[in-house]
Amino acid sequence: DTAVSQTPKYLVTQMGNDKSIKCEQNLGHDTMYWYKQDSKKFLKIMFSYNNKELIINETVPNRFSPKSPDKAHLNLHINSLELGDSAVYFCASRPRDRLNTEAFFGQGTRLTVV
Amino acid sequence: AQSVSQHNHHVILSEAASLELGCNYSYGGTVNLFWYVQYPGQHLQLLLKYFSGDPLVKGIKGFEAEFIKSKFSFNLRKPSVQWSDTAEYFCAVTTSGTYKYIFGTGTRLKVLA
Repeated sequence: DTAVSQTPKYLVTQMGNDKSIKCEQNLGHDTMYWYKQDSKKFLKIMFSYNNKELIINETVPNRFSPKSPDKAHLNLHINSLELGDSAVYFCASRPRDRLNTEAFFGQGTRLTVV
Repeated sequence: AQSVSQHNHHVILSEAASLELGCNYSYGGTVNLFWYVQYPGQHLQLLLKYFSGDPLVKGIKGFEAEFIKSKFSFNLRKPSVQWSDTAEYFCAVTTSGTYKYIFGTGTRLKVLA
């Protein structure tokens, strides 16, 4: 069983389109995250949800909107895609947003905007 | 603000060579420290973690790391690398000030067969 699963694994789309990436975790964790990994492999946190509530919202364009229908799911919707949005997006979950807990990562979604 | 520095951006070693990757963080309070590995095209996998206790932490695949509080460091070591260790290695920290993961910029390790 995959602990943190993301769909799709690959996504190629044209500029201006709207797309969503889904994330589900079956670990019973309270906290979920979205990270963006750019072409230089730098990992930057985008959002964090704790029990469906947004707790971290880094300086991310408004075109990115996370949605958490329940604590096992954290989806990422992106409007009006731009070339610079091309990256690998990782979902992660953690028992709770506290010390002494480790994060588990999904396999990533490689988004290519053409 | 808390930060994590990995000074070695690219490391090339021959098989059987010893490895040490540097990781320094800036935060004076309680920290948790992690090393993750990302094999080409794959997701992040946890190599080892430090929460408390013995500062020498042993992880999977023969890796270990030592937490030196006075130096704000958590360097990753392996006595003898293999070709299969070729990957990107990330140091990460969470702190008592903010619980979010903060990653270093990563070190790309290439092991020559």
